Amino acid sequence: QSVLTQPPSVSAAPRQKVTISCSGSTSNIGNDYVSWYQHLPGTAPKLLIYDNNKRPSGIPDRFSGSKSGTSATLGITGLQTGDEADYYCGTWDSSLSVWVFGGGTKLTVL
Amino acid sequence: EVQLVESGGGLIQPGRSLRLSCAASGFTFGDYAMHWVRQAPGKGLEWVSGINWNSNNIVYADSVKGRFTISRDDAKNSLYLQMNSLRVEDTALYYCAKGLWSSNGGGFDYWGQGTLVTVSS
Repeated sequence: QSVLTQPPSVSAAPRQKVTISCSGSTSNIGNDYVSWYQHLPGTAPKLLIYDNNKRPSGIPDRFSGSKSGTSATLGITGLQTGDEADYYCGTWDSSLSVWVFGGGTKLTVL
Repeated sequence: EVQLVESGGGLIQPGRSLRLSCAASGFTFGDYAMHWVRQAPGKGLEWVSGINWNSNNIVYADSVKGRFTISRDDAKNSLYLQMNSLRVEDTALYYCAKGLWSSNGGGFDYWGQGTLVTVSS
């Protein structure tokens, strides 16, 4: 059972938009920055969003992040088949003094 | 170009020890926190341990506390994970990850390709 809660899966058609939610508590999301990662199992995860809503160099603006209270959201517009992957949110938990990930969300582009 | 290359994984019996290494290049290693993250077969990402820039703040997941030890050698641009008393449930692909900050929070901006640890009798 992950400290951060994500939906197990989401799906949408190519060129459409999808959002992935990440729910936590006042000791983690409510107290620190959230980051998002794209991962194809067996490969190196990729940082998509950091500090809640900032994109690293090279990440297209189709990817966006937001945070409100104890929840965060990753948005992906203009979906492409290449976006099919697992997506994870993560943040520092000040109560547990550990980094925590969500359980991951599998994105399917139909 | 930032590169993180893990090594040291393999097949090991329960109760034995293994030491993972991560060779870093392309950035000022001593300025950043470094972490280990793992993924067990069919499971999600699990953060294992982190060490801040000057090794003054070291943290572990409860699942490995007391069994694993993280360390760094800034002169060799290397990160290590000493894993003792290994259990079957430690079987996973272990990733080395560079922290965004000098402290342990903030997230991870670069990751290695991982080294596979299989604990089985």
